[in-house]
Order: sequence, then structure tokens, then C-alpha cells
Amino acid sequence: AQSVTQPDIHITVSEGASLELRCNYSYGATPYLFWYVQSPGQGLQLLLKYFSGDTLVQGIKGFEAEFKRSQSSFNLRKPSVHWSDAAEYFCAVGKNQGGKLIFGQGTELSVKP
Amino acid sequence: SAVISQKPSRDICQRGTSLTIQCQVDSQVTMMFWYRQQPGQSLTLIATANQGSEATYESGFVIDKFPISRPNLTFSTLTVSNMSPEDSSIYLCSVCQGINTEAFFGQGTRLTVV
Repeated sequence: AQSVTQPDIHITVSEGASLELRCNYSYGATPYLFWYVQSPGQGLQLLLKYFSGDTLVQGIKGFEAEFKRSQSSFNLRKPSVHWSDAAEYFCAVGKNQGGKLIFGQGTELSVKP
Repeated sequence: SAVISQKPSRDICQRGTSLTIQCQVDSQVTMMFWYRQQPGQSLTLIATANQGSEATYESGFVIDKFPISRPNLTFSTLTVSNMSPEDSSIYLCSVCQGINTEAFFGQGTRLTVV
């Protein structure tokens, strides 16, 4: 069965420090992979997506993610975190098509001044 | 990307009643979906709203509890029927233009059942 695992429930980083959020997936074929961010009281905003091609994808707000098929991973990175990045981050895999998504449990990011 | 409007944004309802949530998109979209996000949890797909036909429900969700309509390519409703406190969640509408495209989400409807 398809699944997504985000091993870290909560991460705290200092402002200006680098960030990596982990995501592992289980999927039989080449997956469609996504990272979304949810700020308190808000809906989900798409940060970036991977469908095919270059395994390093760039997204909005300075985020990037790397697809590693051998590790079944799609980790999200940012070189320098800003206080406004504090939010919940969800990794998702497309279930047979882009629209039907299976989400990980989410990682809550806190940013220390 | 499409602009998605959900109404209401939040509501407090009595148990045993029903609430209908509306999702309006500013352009025609191929696919529309409804998700549930229980408190402190991730998102779970409820169903795919099919234009002009019955919705396709995921395992664990049934039409009697979550009837869905989609009369055209820009509008859908989700009804949460005979509500109980366990139905307290955020319900999100999502749209997608096709197989190789990403999904966009509305702001969600925060439902509290008392």
C-alpha cells in the first residue's frame, strides 16, 4: 500500500540555520511527490512538486527538495530559515494521479530567534 | 493556479444536525476532491467529486454520512450529516486540472460539533 512517512513530528531550528525535513514514501511506480505548508488557521500552500526529470526541484520561498529513488526519499531543504517559515509541513504522494494525495503526518517547524 | 473559496470558513454545530460546505473555483477544473483534517492530524481524502455523477468515496467514508454534489466544473458541496463531536475537523476542498498537475487547496472549513 502507498504511504508517506515523516519521521520528525516537531523540529526546532534557529533563525538563519539550515533546515532539512525528512520524507519517505512507499509507492510501486514512479511517484508524484509534493511538499505543502500549512500556517496556523490557513489552508495548504504548495511549496514544490516532483513529477519526473531533474531530481533536485526548486520551489517557492527558497525551498528545494531532492528525489532519491534508491532511498525512497523526498527531503525538503532550505539553506537559511526565516521566522516566517514556522508552520506545519506536509509531504504527499500522488495516488495514481496528481490530485488524489496521500499525506504524511506532518512536521511542525518552530523557529528560534 | 485556481482561486478556491470555501464557505463557511468555520462553524459550530449541534450534534445530530447537518452542515453543507461549499467550494467555488474561479475557473473550470477537471477534478475536485474533499479532504478531512482531524485535530492535530494529517489530511485524509474523503472522496472525489465527479461532475454530473455520484462521488467516488475512499475506504472508510460513505455517501450517507458525507453526501457530495458537483453540478458543474467550478462548484462542489460536501455535507456532513448527523454530526457527532468526532466530526469536528477541518474540511478542505482541493482542485486539480489533470493527471500530471498539482492540486491546490481551499482555506478549509473548521467545524466544531458540540
